[in-house]
Amino acid sequence: ILNVEQSPQSLHVQEGDSTNFTCSFPSSNFYALHWYRWETAKSPEALFVMTLNGDEKKKGRISATLNTKEGYSYLYIKGSQPEDSATYLCALWEGGGNKLTFGTGTQLKVEL
Amino acid sequence: DAGITQSPRHKVTETGTPVTLRCHQTENHRYMYWYRQDPGHGLRLIHYSYGVKDTDKGEVSDGYSVSRSKTEDFLLTLESATSSQTSVYFCAISDRGHNSPLHFGNGTRLTVT
Repeated sequence: ILNVEQSPQSLHVQEGDSTNFTCSFPSSNFYALHWYRWETAKSPEALFVMTLNGDEKKKGRISATLNTKEGYSYLYIKGSQPEDSATYLCALWEGGGNKLTFGTGTQLKVEL
Repeated sequence: DAGITQSPRHKVTETGTPVTLRCHQTENHRYMYWYRQDPGHGLRLIHYSYGVKDTDKGEVSDGYSVSRSKTEDFLLTLESATSSQTSVYFCAISDRGHNSPLHFGNGTRLTVT
């Protein structure tokens, strides 16, 4: 079973703080890394799909970087807002397969 | 929202009964997936399909079977439901594989008593 690890497991920050999470994975033989945002009582929604070493993606205050050689990706949130509170999932698409394997997520709570 | 409908949305069933969950899409996407969500485990893949009649097992496939006889429908069957299969089940679709994001349905909450 492919091991996709996310840290920290949970995080509490104050409104306006910037924060980041880590996704670690086996560095060989993968096709893509995805990030998803999952709000309570809703379905996961895609944030980014990343495929190349050094790839960087940005959407508003959220950005992500990918290091395929060392097997990690960072998700950054600048100036956290209460509406950013959610679980953030990363997922790996293995080389030679047709499936996405998810990490267990980082639960972010942004407090006023 | 991507056109994905899961049915039923909620179901309570008894141990030992068969249960079928349906995922229907209107996007003509090639890939379809069934995940289950459990506390502490995130999303775990049960089965997936990469085309009509092309399916494969995920990491937690024991006790589940699937069928995909047409592009738009992907059925998940619990042959004989057990309490350990109490979970929230999510269907997801993708059109181009690794380069395209998954779009998720609204989930089916299944309780096995």
